[in-house]
Amino acid sequence: RKEVEQDPGPFNVPEGATVAFNCTYSNSASQSFFWYRQDCRKEPKLLMSVYSSGNEDGRFTAQLNRASQYISLLIRDSKLSDSATYLCVVTPPNAGKSTFGDGTTLTVKP
Amino acid sequence: NAGVTQTPKFQVLKTGQSMTLQCAQDMNHEYMSWYRQDPGMGLRLIHYSVGAGITDQGEVPNGYNVSRSTTEDFPLRLLSAAPSQTSVYFCASSQGALYSPLHFGNGTRLTVT
Repeated sequence: RKEVEQDPGPFNVPEGATVAFNCTYSNSASQSFFWYRQDCRKEPKLLMSVYSSGNEDGRFTAQLNRASQYISLLIRDSKLSDSATYLCVVTPPNAGKSTFGDGTTLTVKP
Repeated sequence: NAGVTQTPKFQVLKTGQSMTLQCAQDMNHEYMSWYRQDPGMGLRLIHYSVGAGITDQGEVPNGYNVSRSTTEDFPLRLLSAAPSQTSVYFCASSQGALYSPLHFGNGTRLTVT
């Protein structure tokens, strides 16, 4: 089993739709969690950190469920510019070995 | 601040050649790491460093060496290039190893023929 697994995608949604991605992790002692966005052939860029109480940044909401060992990303009112690959990142107690999921590709269509 | 700077952007090597991918950051970050990304896949950790003079192996360290003589620089050496090392390489840094997000360089696209 992979340490970090993401919904395989791809997700193709119309503009204005709400879409949600999940990411499960195997190490229950994992300490920190992030969502990154990666545009084609570019470097990943931080979208948001994921806090235990859940957090929101505009149209984006991230949540952590420690009991079920997953994090989620909700995008509301999708824009064409949201088209990208979304990567979840999990850092275990052995700090330094951040593990990336394989990514979920989102395409928002007009 | 330039952030994380990687050179070169592109490189073509022949099998058996060696080279060094450069990575420098000007944010005084203690933690630095190297990842490779193969087509359609996520990033896999090659090596990382939690501070000057300290390095450790990640998930896929074979065929690569690193050193961290200064806080700013974290070069990645390919000892004897193989076609399986054709990939995009990203260097990243963060303030700490645990709760701080990673800042990435622009990547180096390496092809080994």
